[in-house]
Amino acid sequence: KAGVTQTPRYLIKTRGQQVTLSCSPISGHRSVSWYQQTPGQGLQFLFEYFSETQRNKGNFPGRFSGRQFSNSRSEMNVSTLELGDSALYLCASSMQQETQYFGPGTRLLVL
Amino acid sequence: GESVGLHLPTLSVQEGDNSIINCAYSNSASDYFIWYKQESGKGPQFIIDIRSNMDKRQGQRVTVLLNKTVKHLSLQIAATQPGDSAVYFCAERGAGGTSYGKLTFGQGTILTVHP
Repeated sequence: KAGVTQTPRYLIKTRGQQVTLSCSPISGHRSVSWYQQTPGQGLQFLFEYFSETQRNKGNFPGRFSGRQFSNSRSEMNVSTLELGDSALYLCASSMQQETQYFGPGTRLLVL
Repeated sequence: GESVGLHLPTLSVQEGDNSIINCAYSNSASDYFIWYKQESGKGPQFIIDIRSNMDKRQGQRVTVLLNKTVKHLSLQIAATQPGDSAVYFCAERGAGGTSYGKLTFGQGTILTVHP
C-alpha cells in the first residue's frame, strides 16, 4: 500500500504571495491532519479533516486554511505569506482516531 | 495548557548498547501515546504506540513504558544500531472531541549511535 504523498516537496515564495500544498492520504484513510514543523516551535497542529469536514483546528491565524475532497485528498493554503511561515509542512493520515502516518513533507521557504 | 516535554534533548550511545529516551506529559486526560522517529529530510515515522489502559508494550527491539502516576513515557531501544540515529518524538492525544486528528508533540531527542 502506498504511503502518504505530498506535493510539491520544495517551494520558494516571496512575502505576500500565497501557496497551496497537496496531500494524498494512504488508501482507505479518511482523516488527514496537517502540522507545521519549525526548529523553534517544533511540530504544531494546524487542522484536521475527515469526510470533507474540518473537525479540529490549532492556534494558527486565518491565513492558514485547508480543505478535503471526496477522495480524501487534502490541500492547505497559506495566504499573504510571512517570513515566519518558512517551515516543513507535514500531513498525516489515519483511519478515524487511529495511528497517524506522515508524509515526507513540503519544505516552504519564504523570502 | 497541554504540553509534552522531553528530559534529554541529546543522547549518544555506542552501537549495541540499549537506549532509553524519556518524555514527560502534562495532560492527564490523554489516552493515547505514540513514538515517532524522524530522519533528516523525512517525515516522522511511526515506531510504536500505547493506550492509557496499558503500562507496557513491546515491538521489534523497542519497548514503550507508560507511567500514568507520574505522567512519564519512555522508549527503550535494544541493541541500538547506527541506523537508529535520528530525532525521536513522543506525542500524545487528548480524549474527547477536541482531540480529533490532533497530536501534541514533545520537543524531540536527538539520538546518535556511534559505531
